[in-house]
Amino acid sequence: QVQLKESGPGLVAPSQSLSITCTVSGFSLTGYGVNWVRQPPGKGLEWLGMIWGDGSTDYNSALKSRLSISKDNSKSQVFLKMNSLQTDDTARYYCARRLTGTWGAMDYWGQGTSVTVSS
Amino acid sequence: DIQMTQSPASLSVSVGETVTITCRASENIYSNLAWYQQKQGKSPQLLVYAATNLADGVPSRFSGSGSGTQYSLKINSLQSEDFGSYYCQHFWGTPYTFGGGTKLEIK
Repeated sequence: QVQLKESGPGLVAPSQSLSITCTVSGFSLTGYGVNWVRQPPGKGLEWLGMIWGDGSTDYNSALKSRLSISKDNSKSQVFLKMNSLQTDDTARYYCARRLTGTWGAMDYWGQGTSVTVSS
Repeated sequence: DIQMTQSPASLSVSVGETVTITCRASENIYSNLAWYQQKQGKSPQLLVYAATNLADGVPSRFSGSGSGTQYSLKINSLQSEDFGSYYCQHFWGTPYTFGGGTKLEIK
């Protein structure tokens, strides 16, 4: 069955960088895009970016200068890296698979990984 | 960037009632819209894609409608398991913005 699972550091110091890995199973990364979404505590969802099956990427313009998404198809892993973290980057970070075909939407989500930015 | 305005922000309803949540896009998104349900402490779950298509396993009491800039999610005969937060998201050009969310609470 389709599964996605995020793993991250939990705590990041201000101004440092964040790296999160999304490990997927039940589908191939060459055939599906994977999105990253975050949710600050008690707040709504924010789309961060995605990597398509062919390896091309799209980013939220508000974060583009700090964000990088990559993947290793052979290891079924997608990577999120964000630089210069501040306290308002504290959030739960999710990876989610994009529906196949023409239409967007994210049909499978990981459980998320909580990231706290604090000294 | 396309802005998504979702309303209402919160709603207090009773089991058995019918609810409609709306999302307005700042420009035409040509039905490239999804709806998600999120329960407390859980990941979002896809309900509707392409504005009107129910995702696999979603009960038929949920329905999506709309076109252009105006979209709605309707829940008929609310069940106890339907309470939580709901979000719309467009997919017409990046960034794929979410609406602000609607929190559905038990009256």
